[in-house]
Amino acid sequence: SQQGEEDPQALSIQEGENATMNCSYKTSINNLQWYRQNSGRGLVHLILIRSNEREKHSGRLRVTLDTSKKSSSLLITASRAADTASYFCATDAITAGNKLTFGGGTRVLVKP
Amino acid sequence: SQTIHQWPATLVQPVGSPLSLECTVEGTSNPNLYWYRQAAGRGLQLLFYSVGIGQISSEVPQNLSASRPQDRQFILSSKKLLLSDSGFYLCAWSEVKSAQYFGPGTRLTVL
Repeated sequence: SQQGEEDPQALSIQEGENATMNCSYKTSINNLQWYRQNSGRGLVHLILIRSNEREKHSGRLRVTLDTSKKSSSLLITASRAADTASYFCATDAITAGNKLTFGGGTRVLVKP
Repeated sequence: SQTIHQWPATLVQPVGSPLSLECTVEGTSNPNLYWYRQAAGRGLQLLFYSVGIGQISSEVPQNLSASRPQDRQFILSSKKLLLSDSGFYLCAWSEVKSAQYFGPGTRLTVL
């Protein structure tokens, strides 16, 4: 699989529930980033977590990073209909210079 | 604050026609600049990135090219479009080793 693969590919939940999605990668990284994309729009940066960090919070978002397993998770708590979007993880690999590698994304549908 | 602009927002072009997409950034100096393409329902594919004026790195062989004539201007071009060039093109900027900030994108349809 590619560097930065999200799981699941799609997720459907009710408003108020939590949504969890995972990202796995293959090479050593400087940092890992999560982005949101609403349909037909550009990507919006959510959180950057560095390789020496294990957990980070931003509002209703919680990101964890396990470098030993080369994986990360994004948790959205108390989801809202406005959270409906695709979520992408992106890795800044140590050997990649200034480039990010994006996964295929998780499509999240929050039903009212 | 920094802003990034892309135009046009949508474009329909015939096969074999030329292409020029423009991206400009305001409010920062010497940013890293990136062009991505996104196929429908898929992730982003990095096409080009630039760390300075006239410095372009190509990630995939294709009939597209990029230029950076000014510090905050990044242009994606093609001399002859192919059907497979259809997609959603996104420009982004970043400072070194930090988050990337994306423009609104250009939806290109090649007929």
